[in-house]
Amino acid sequence: GIQVEQSPPDLILQEGANSTLRCNFSDSVNNLQWFHQNPWGQLINLFYIPSGTKQNGRLSATTVATERYSLLYISSSQTTDSGVYFCAVDGGGADGLTFGKGTHLIIQP
Amino acid sequence: ETGVTQTPRHLVMGMTNKKSLKCEQHLGHNAMYWYKQSAKKPLELMFVYSLEERVENNSVPSRFSPECPNSSHLFLHLHTLQPEDSALYLCASSQDWAGSSYNEQFFGPGTRLTVL
Repeated sequence: GIQVEQSPPDLILQEGANSTLRCNFSDSVNNLQWFHQNPWGQLINLFYIPSGTKQNGRLSATTVATERYSLLYISSSQTTDSGVYFCAVDGGGADGLTFGKGTHLIIQP
Repeated sequence: ETGVTQTPRHLVMGMTNKKSLKCEQHLGHNAMYWYKQSAKKPLELMFVYSLEERVENNSVPSRFSPECPNSSHLFLHLHTLQPEDSALYLCASSQDWAGSSYNEQFFGPGTRLTVL
């Protein structure tokens, strides 16, 4: 099946810093989503972005499908941005979403 | 209620118990999913239902038994579980399950299961 790798696995930043999270995938995809998992386990949809660039407030994402990677940018980090960020891809067929292992982000005040 | 809801949010059960997890989606979607999230492991797809028909079973042990009585409800029946089955169980839904050019999945808050 399709492989998804996220980097870095852990990231500790000061409040106000910017960050870039990366997601590499091994095959073409129909769907790519970025999620933020809060401390209670809820997966919050950030972006549905199989290709192109999208922005939502301080967050933006870019997927370059031909080169099989996606980037999530977080600007002016806040402590509430802490949590685990997952990239998940749908390669088509009956496999649903394949998740990466996530990036654990800690924003310190 | 909006989005995807799951009950209970927390469950502690013994290995000989029988319990059920419930998921309900209020989005008018046709596909529903069960995922398992264990500590230190990526989320794993367990089951996919499309229009109430099971379309995928990812080699899940028979002690997990899904049921989809209609397109809005999904159950996961549990019996004779093992301690290693302790995990966060997440339900999701999407407009369609495959072949769709737009197939964003939305997740419920999860049920945190502990098997003693």
